[in-house]
Amino acid sequence: SQTIHQWPATLVQPVGSPLSLECTVEGTSNPNLYWYRQAAGRGLQLLFYSVGIGQISSEVPQNLSASRPQDRQFILSSKKLLLSDSGFYLCAWSGRGRTYEQYFGPGTRLTVT
Amino acid sequence: AQSVTQLDSQVPVFEEAPVELRCNYSSSVSVYLFWYVQYPNQGLQLLLKYLSGSTLVESINGFEAEFNKSQTSFHLRKPSVHISDTAEYFCAVSRYNQGGKLIFGQGTELSVKP
Repeated sequence: SQTIHQWPATLVQPVGSPLSLECTVEGTSNPNLYWYRQAAGRGLQLLFYSVGIGQISSEVPQNLSASRPQDRQFILSSKKLLLSDSGFYLCAWSGRGRTYEQYFGPGTRLTVT
Repeated sequence: AQSVTQLDSQVPVFEEAPVELRCNYSSSVSVYLFWYVQYPNQGLQLLLKYLSGSTLVESINGFEAEFNKSQTSFHLRKPSVHISDTAEYFCAVSRYNQGGKLIFGQGTELSVKP
């Protein structure tokens, strides 16, 4: 069966520090991968999605970036965090033939102080 | 552009009472429709989906949702809720052939009280 992992589970970082969040998927190959941010009371916002290694599409201009160095690994990064980057970050995957059916990881709670 | 509106941010109900969580969407093209559930400090779990066919879809834990094309709605219902149904519920839409991009509503916090 497929599983999706995210780490760390929680993170507290000062403004201006770098960020690296990691997501890995097991039990499937060639998945589509997604990063979402969930801010309090604002639903989920799609940040990035990837259809393959090195292929990243950005949905929202911001100081975050994403990379996909391996087929089942998706990384969210920032060089300098802002207070507004605080939130709950969720990674998701979907199969190629059923891209509309997404499965979410447990999330990372990021607090920028 | 698509959008999803969940009309109620919070819905408090008593255990064993019926509940309806409302969702309306706007789109000029056909869409897939989804309900996700999020328990505290966890990721989202797919609760049910409408892709095509019967407009009434059901989940394994007693929830159901009905796609109403004329009203562009996809309301979620359960005839009798349990304490364990306390969670946040998100409605989402995806356009056909859009590579899995989901547009989410703001979420409805369902609070079931004894």
